[in-house]
Amino acid sequence: SQTIHQWPATLVQPVGSPLSLECTVEGTSNPNLYWYRQAAGRGLQLLFYSVGIGQISSEVPQNLSASRPQDRQFILSSKKLLLSDSGFYLCAWSDTQGSPLHFGNGTRLTVT
Amino acid sequence: GENVEQHPSTLSVQEGDSAVIKCTYSDSASNYFPWYKQELGKRPQLIIDIRSNVGEKKDQRIAVTLNKTAKHFSLHITETQPEDSAVYFCGPTDSWGKLQFGAGTQVVVTP
Repeated sequence: SQTIHQWPATLVQPVGSPLSLECTVEGTSNPNLYWYRQAAGRGLQLLFYSVGIGQISSEVPQNLSASRPQDRQFILSSKKLLLSDSGFYLCAWSDTQGSPLHFGNGTRLTVT
Repeated sequence: GENVEQHPSTLSVQEGDSAVIKCTYSDSASNYFPWYKQELGKRPQLIIDIRSNVGEKKDQRIAVTLNKTAKHFSLHITETQPEDSAVYFCGPTDSWGKLQFGAGTQVVVTP
């Protein structure tokens, strides 16, 4: 069966520090991968999605970036965090576009 | 891009009553219509979905209805229970096949 791992679960970082969140999927090949952000009490905002290695599409301009160095690995990064980057970051995968999304457990990021 | 609106934003129901949440979308190319449930502090989980060739789908106390002409689909929960309390998100696909979520509906079921 397929599983998705996301870490860390929680993270507290100072403004201006770098960020690296990692997500891996097991039990499937060539999944579509997504990064979503959820501000406190708000909806799910799509940040990046990828349909294959090295193929990244950005949905919202920001100081974040994403990379997919391996088929089942998706990384969210920032060189300098802003206070507004605080939120709940969710990685997700799907078999194809327009099929069910399976979310990881999320990373709660607090930028201080 | 896809413009998704969800109504109501909050819904309070008595245990045993029904709850209905409506989701409207703008992209006529959308062909996949899921609903997700998110409990506090947890990840969203798929509870029911429908594709554009079907008008209604039911799974025990949960149902989804689709009106593609009017570009809206709804989540119906019957005989609500306290464990149905959560935030519910609709997420129709856009023309690129990506899920774009609504702002969510906070459902509170009171005993």
